[in-house]
Amino acid sequence: DAGVIQSPRHEVTEMGQEVTLRCKPISGHNSLFWYRQTMMRGLELLIYFNNNVPIDDSGMPEDRFSAKMPNASFSTLKIQPSEPRDSAVYFCASSLSGTEQAFFGQGTRLTVV
Amino acid sequence: GIQVEQSPPDLILQEGANSTLRCNFSDSVNNLQWFHQNPWGQLINLFYIPSGTKQNGRLSATTVATERYSLLYISSSQTTDSGVYFCAVEHPSRNQGGKLIFGQGTELSVKP
Repeated sequence: DAGVIQSPRHEVTEMGQEVTLRCKPISGHNSLFWYRQTMMRGLELLIYFNNNVPIDDSGMPEDRFSAKMPNASFSTLKIQPSEPRDSAVYFCASSLSGTEQAFFGQGTRLTVV
Repeated sequence: GIQVEQSPPDLILQEGANSTLRCNFSDSVNNLQWFHQNPWGQLINLFYIPSGTKQNGRLSATTVATERYSLLYISSSQTTDSGVYFCAVEHPSRNQGGKLIFGQGTELSVKP
């Protein structure tokens, strides 16, 4: 398996634009997590899904953030409209049943100017 | 919520030296994992260790769940060990199962 695949690897966008980050989890994993990493706040869980259903979205900072998982092999994290304070590295991770080892993608470095 | 504290925050080693990184957590947890974030930003899962001891090459980890701490041992360190080491714990509540809470990390620099 190629591991967790995220795209794009880097994204630079202007304030106010919509940004969509994509994730393909490891085949067979049924839990998917979106994390954000910043220098100030470290690694924060934004939302996680179990069997394609959102279980906990308490980490989603604002209504500007939304996440979907239409099927077991694909998830998106959308920011609309984007703001400079959203600049961070966004990681997607997957695991089996949510209680086993979590495997991370390579991250998307988002810069909002 | 659960607090995860890692120490030391920074560590500089000479190549070949050994080190111990510590992770303290404030409540019972279902799961504890150690990760290495390399200088390119990639997060690599090192150990899934809710309790007991595991070894993988020059790395080993021990978790004493009853005393709420875990240790990561690095022996004969190499420059490729440089990066940030994170401890992450899973909240024990049933409705938050799977939610990993990360410590702030230990930044390790191994000098040749």
